[in-house]
Amino acid sequence: GAGVSQTPSNKVTEKGKYVELRCDPISGHTALYWYRQSLGQGPEFLIYFQGTGAADDSGLPNDRFFAVRPEGSVSTLKIQRTERGDSAVYLCASSLGLDEQFFGPGTRLTVL
Amino acid sequence: AQSVAQPEDQVNVAEGNPLTVKCTYSVSGNPYLFWYVQYPNRGLQFLLKYITGDNLVKGSYGFEAEFNKSQTSFHLKKPSALVSDSALYFCAVRDYNAGNMLTFGGGTRLMVKP
Repeated sequence: GAGVSQTPSNKVTEKGKYVELRCDPISGHTALYWYRQSLGQGPEFLIYFQGTGAADDSGLPNDRFFAVRPEGSVSTLKIQRTERGDSAVYLCASSLGLDEQFFGPGTRLTVL
Repeated sequence: AQSVAQPEDQVNVAEGNPLTVKCTYSVSGNPYLFWYVQYPNRGLQFLLKYITGDNLVKGSYGFEAEFNKSQTSFHLKKPSALVSDSALYFCAVRDYNAGNMLTFGGGTRLMVKP
């Protein structure tokens, strides 16, 4: 079956703009995760959904970041008033329960 | 708080030789440990995991890892390296008592030379 997909693969925006990043998890996976990977570093946790609700959003850096998963499948990560420091690869992962997480290819966000 | 250390930024090995990529962790509860591999411009691919049971875990592409509780280590190994194993490797830990988030190490670049 299909893996985790993320769109767009690349997003270039200007400082101060609003962006949305989309994640389509593996069918049937109840858990969905967002991570952020800066150049030369390991991924850092942002938020975790179990079903439709955010079970843990402790990794969101500030209130400019928000994520939703209204129907328990596709998720959107929303970033308001983007800053140059938001530039990174945003990774989405999904899992069946508490098992290993399967990652998508990521969205490379560049804020000019 | 949980943490992972990968002390080597890069590991160089000749094709056909054994390889080891080191990982140590810190958690307050019982650890769930994972290794992922990342090829250029691609997402993370799951290699193997330790949850419980045998300390030696076997995974994809001939990789294995040994869980050592006393040394809080989970080193990745392979008996005979291939040039195609060259990639970025990440160790990750999840604390059984602290939710589902994975904490990753900084990554180790493996270079296998012919």
